[in-house]
Amino acid sequence: EAQVTQNPRYLITVTGKKLTVTCSQNMNHEYMSWYRQDPGLGLRQIYYSMNVEVTDKGDVPEGYKVSRKEKRNFPLILESPSPNQTSLYFCASSPYAIEATEAFFGQGTRLTVV
Amino acid sequence: AQSVTQLGSHVSVSEGALVLLRCNYSSSVPPYLFWYVQYPNQGLQLLLKYTSAATLVKGINGFEAEFKKSETSFHLTKPSAHMSDAAEYFCAVSDPDSSASKIIFGSGTRLSIRP
Repeated sequence: EAQVTQNPRYLITVTGKKLTVTCSQNMNHEYMSWYRQDPGLGLRQIYYSMNVEVTDKGDVPEGYKVSRKEKRNFPLILESPSPNQTSLYFCASSPYAIEATEAFFGQGTRLTVV
Repeated sequence: AQSVTQLGSHVSVSEGALVLLRCNYSSSVPPYLFWYVQYPNQGLQLLLKYTSAATLVKGINGFEAEFKKSETSFHLTKPSAHMSDAAEYFCAVSDPDSSASKIIFGSGTRLSIRP
């Protein structure tokens, strides 16, 4: 089954403790991205990757890192999480970096930083 | 710069009634436009998209949207609401001439269905 898989689905952590949210897609898509969803703000792009070893900042990159060593994986790293990073996170992938292409979303990761 | 405005953060309709979710966009060039739906505890899935072909776009689950350039709108409609339509709906826009490959989402409209 074609899908984007995020782990974990739920995470509670403490301020400053490094964490990684994994994202994997099995559709051989070139384009992957991370979004955060906050009430009243919709989805905002954090980082995106147009291909292996190619990543770039989205609208809200501060406090986040990403890597794209393999085509299928695009982990999101919070080196020193803070409470304002409490949010619902989504990973998405598309076949190409072409805007008319549908984005496939993961199930989401609800992160709470205390 | 592109932007998307969804009018109404919450819309409530009776089962069987018309659903109308409003979306206006701002773009310097004819954009690509999307509607996504998010069911509780799930990711987003594509309902329909406009890519400069027919202005009336039909999507899944009986939804459709009409691109109106003169009004810069892309409202989502469904003739008869069903209880299973309760979800959050996001309008999104992207710039076909942009190299940034970014989709900009609206703030979302939560649709409730009354029995």
